[in-house]
Amino acid sequence: IAGITQAPTSQILAAGRRMTLRCTQDMRHNAMYWYRQDLGLGLRLIHYSNTAGTTGKGEVPDGYSVSRANTDDFPLTLASAVPSQTSVYFCASSVFSGPYNEQFFGPGTRLTVL
Amino acid sequence: GQNIDQPTEMTATEGAIVQINCTYQTSGFNGLFWYQQHAGEAPTFLSYNVLDGLEEKGRFSSFLSRSKGYSYLLLKELQMKDSASYLCAVSRGGDFVFGPGTRLSVLP
Repeated sequence: IAGITQAPTSQILAAGRRMTLRCTQDMRHNAMYWYRQDLGLGLRLIHYSNTAGTTGKGEVPDGYSVSRANTDDFPLTLASAVPSQTSVYFCASSVFSGPYNEQFFGPGTRLTVL
Repeated sequence: GQNIDQPTEMTATEGAIVQINCTYQTSGFNGLFWYQQHAGEAPTFLSYNVLDGLEEKGRFSSFLSRSKGYSYLLLKELQMKDSASYLCAVSRGGDFVFGPGTRLSVLP
């Protein structure tokens, strides 16, 4: 693994199903983030984690949950998917949160909820 | 609330200079970042400003005025490969707020 990876690359999901998007980084970054990107709305923060064991809510957290059991992994779970959660999801990480810390983004997961 | 504004689209000619503006009103400010995103790809980091003034990085420069809530990204000697979306983002310490992005088309 080099950098930050996401799985799956794309997924079509029936409404009401549970889904976990995976994110793994091997850069030993402390902070990790989940965004969704929708046309015309840009990137919106769903949840973030400043360090392993802690998480925080972003701008659009409803319907999503996260956990940060270790430094490398930051899975995003949709407990009961709805069509409005159709989007492209990006995971990102940075050495620390805050200034002077650029974010590195994963390749994204394209999710369609029918 | 949080508000970051950018022009939706811009067009420029190869070899020219283009300035992409970003205005922001956010609760908390720790720095302003610029990212480039090609269609279908992930954003990649371009520059950041924490203090007022100009930061230069090769063909790209970014300016910040904290008192005016204003930043711009300046791209010089435009190349076709610069056709992409440009995102400005405000760091608030624990999280980031992104603008909607500006789609730049570079024409031959």
